[in-house]
Amino acid sequence: GENVEQHPSTLSVQEGDSAVIKCTYSDSASNYFPWYKQELGKRPQLIIDIRSNVGEKKDQRIAVTLNKTAKHFSLHITETQPEDSAVYFCAASTNSGYALNFGKGTSLLVTP
Amino acid sequence: DAGITQSPRHKVTETGTPVTLRCHQTENHRYMYWYRQDPGHGLRLIHYSYGVKDTDKGEVSDGYSVSRSKTEDFLLTLESATSSQTSVYFCAISEWASGGDTGELFFGEGSRLTVL
Repeated sequence: GENVEQHPSTLSVQEGDSAVIKCTYSDSASNYFPWYKQELGKRPQLIIDIRSNVGEKKDQRIAVTLNKTAKHFSLHITETQPEDSAVYFCAASTNSGYALNFGKGTSLLVTP
Repeated sequence: DAGITQSPRHKVTETGTPVTLRCHQTENHRYMYWYRQDPGHGLRLIHYSYGVKDTDKGEVSDGYSVSRSKTEDFLLTLESATSSQTSVYFCAISEWASGGDTGELFFGEGSRLTVL
């Protein structure tokens, strides 16, 4: 199956700093790259996504960049706040286009 | 939140017993999925469905079967549960995005299964 590698597995930043999480994928047919946030004990929820015809997308403090040639995409969170603390998952669409393969997750801790 | 419910939410069972988890949606979405979540492994796709009676395997489908006899229900069955299937199981639903690709996944609250 398609592999999605995600780094780092844990990330600790101080409030106000930026956080960057990086993912790579193996299937050149992947064309949809969402990011999900999962708070402790909750379900994963979409925070931002990007499709292969776009190189960058921004929504307030979060942004995602995509490099299709290199097969990697990244999540950028600026001006981090304690409530950003959660596990973040990247994902890439499968070659069927019907499902997503997820990375293993990054546990982000934002300390006041 | 999307209208998606999972049952049971918690279950403890013994090795070798059959287990069925149910996912029910009220959104009339075409796609439904079962993922399992384990520490250090993230979310791994078990099976998914792209319509009534249309299902396909994910990366960790061994030991699991699914059925979708109507749009709103997607069942995940462990024919003979093993301790390695202890996990949190998430159902998700999705609808078409433009161009026919999958769109946002909406997850259920999860079902925690413990196999002793």
